[in-house]
Amino acid sequence: DAGVIQSPRHEVTEMGQEVTLRCKPISGHNSLFWYRQTMMRGLELLIYFNNNVPIDDSGMPEDRFSAKMPNASFSTLKIQPSEPRDSAVYFCASSLSGDFSYEQYFGPGTRLTVT
Amino acid sequence: AQSVTQLGSHVSVSEGALVLLRCNYSSSVPPYLFWYVQYPNQGLQLLLKYTTGATLVKGINGFEAEFKKSETSFHLTKPSAHMSDAAEYFCAVSEGGYNKLIFGAGTRLAVHP
Repeated sequence: DAGVIQSPRHEVTEMGQEVTLRCKPISGHNSLFWYRQTMMRGLELLIYFNNNVPIDDSGMPEDRFSAKMPNASFSTLKIQPSEPRDSAVYFCASSLSGDFSYEQYFGPGTRLTVT
Repeated sequence: AQSVTQLGSHVSVSEGALVLLRCNYSSSVPPYLFWYVQYPNQGLQLLLKYTTGATLVKGINGFEAEFKKSETSFHLTKPSAHMSDAAEYFCAVSEGGYNKLIFGAGTRLAVHP
């Protein structure tokens, strides 16, 4: 099992540019979560999907952030335009809802730096 | 709504000493509880979880945690710390449905010789 795959692992961009983060969940998992981690705010849940449908996006900070899950094996988190305060580590996690174990499996994260 | 409080953002122990990381939760339904560990520059990894059954749960790397309903606690312990245990530890509670987890703020564990 390859685990949750995220790309890129590191991204450095200039303020105002569009950034797209990618995630491939574990095969067979039907729930997907995007988190942001910073020193100041800790681990924040941004959005989560179940069966490719966004269930709760209340954690998305503002309209500059958007997330999609076009199919069961791929999701993107886009920031447009990016700002320095978006610098953080972004994690994707997946799980199998309905199995009552509730365990989430995390990817290695994407470290985003906006200058 | 569910919530998690981790007491102590930083804990420092000597190698070989007892590790105790505290976690209290609030939940209106029987909770599922988790401890995750994050090593530097890595994602979170499950240490152990409590769903139902035995209240003392054993996890990887010699860690264990005990669910105490009367105290709404799920403290993490390890009898003897190792240098490799230095990491950040997160307690989490399930919110039910879709496997959503509510995470605590984390406790950074330092282990010194």
